[in-house]
Amino acid sequence: DAGVIQSPRHEVTEMGQEVTLRCKPISGHDYLFWYRQTMMRGLELLIYFNNNVPIDDSGMPEDRFSAKMPNASFSTLKIQPSEPRDSAVYFCASSLSDRAGNTIYFGEGSWLTVV
Amino acid sequence: DAKTTQPPSMDCAEGRAANLPCNHSTISGNEYVYWYRQIHSQGPQYIIHGLKNNETNEMASLIITEDRKSSTLILPHATLRDTAVYYCIVRVRESNYQLIWGAGTKLIIKP
Repeated sequence: DAGVIQSPRHEVTEMGQEVTLRCKPISGHDYLFWYRQTMMRGLELLIYFNNNVPIDDSGMPEDRFSAKMPNASFSTLKIQPSEPRDSAVYFCASSLSDRAGNTIYFGEGSWLTVV
Repeated sequence: DAKTTQPPSMDCAEGRAANLPCNHSTISGNEYVYWYRQIHSQGPQYIIHGLKNNETNEMASLIITEDRKSSTLILPHATLRDTAVYYCIVRVRESNYQLIWGAGTKLIIKP
């Protein structure tokens, strides 16, 4: 069974450009999560969805960040305009539910560098 | 804040059992303990989780103390590929059961 699939794996972009990261969750999972990992702050939850609806976006750093989930098999995380401090690894994850006994599975991440 | 305490680093000889400790003294009765690991440049990988009883799967064993205030992840026969950062996470109700990540334990398997 395919796991969580993210694209692109690596992206280098110039400051001010729009960045779009994509995620396909595990089939049948109804929760989708976006995390960011940096050396300074470790792994942080940005936003999560249930049945395509955003539930908690309190971790989104600022208005330059937006996330959508148009259907059960696809989500995007956009940064517009991008800044060098957005350089990080962005992980998408999914689970059957957000209850404590249900495992969250992660993708391999999208490595973003903004120069 | 993460509700767990782990040593920052540990070494283990290849072929030996790696025992990774975790303290979670404020855990509540319905809060699960999860273990993930992250190998360099890869996404976090789920290892195992438990509530009260000890658990075992193909990757590892999880031993939870009777008072649930601490646990130990055991990799029975460590290989070089087990070198990674290991995260112990308690999914707490106050965080809506989300994964709150600490710094983890950097486990280095030595030949």
